[in-house]
Amino acid sequence: DAKTTQPPSMDCAEGRAANLPCNHSTISGNEYVYWYRQIHSQGPQYIIHGLKNNETNEMASLIITEDRKSSTLILPHATLRDTAVYYCIVRRTTSGTYKYIFGTGTRLKVLA
Amino acid sequence: NAGVTQTPKFQVLKTGQSMTLQCAQDMNHEYMSWYRQDPGMGLRLIHYSVGAGITDQGEVPNGYNVSRSTTEDFPLRLLSAAPSQTSVYFCASSRLGTGSNEQYFGPGTRLTVT
Repeated sequence: DAKTTQPPSMDCAEGRAANLPCNHSTISGNEYVYWYRQIHSQGPQYIIHGLKNNETNEMASLIITEDRKSSTLILPHATLRDTAVYYCIVRRTTSGTYKYIFGTGTRLKVLA
Repeated sequence: NAGVTQTPKFQVLKTGQSMTLQCAQDMNHEYMSWYRQDPGMGLRLIHYSVGAGITDQGEVPNGYNVSRSTTEDFPLRLLSAAPSQTSVYFCASSRLGTGSNEQYFGPGTRLTVT
């Protein structure tokens, strides 16, 4: 299973875009990239996922490089409520057994 | 939908005691999993299941047993609790197959072993 590497912490000014990078250089062709976040000690919350193409939803955008070895999660207008730990995860897509392997994540602090 | 529920919310055990953490979901999800999260750390996968009667080990399975007799329930058993098992335990579920397959997480069980 591919591993991910993220910076341990980042700060972002409220209202600005938060760009959270993730390195997954050993990713395989059928492995999706997922992003989750964890606010305080709650259960993680799904944000977005992608395979090859860039993706956007109501929460965020996901930019995946052409070689798929890294990705960036973009929160377009960060608010104080976006302060959380953000996890980048690689998961195999086969319809049988698969695993989500979490790393240590990036602690994002949004500053007023 | 209640989503993913976990009981108990808090538990204190003495070393050597056994107990079962309960997890249930009402979304008819095939995939269920257990994670532990130690202070300041990310989540580590303990065991997972892709359907009733099918379970497999994750990253840190030692000291834990699971079974999956129904689609809805996926209990985690601590056989003989140790202080190293003090952690927050999260259960999650998702669909299998094509689609987003996002995992839905429960609120967690905070376990202290003295």
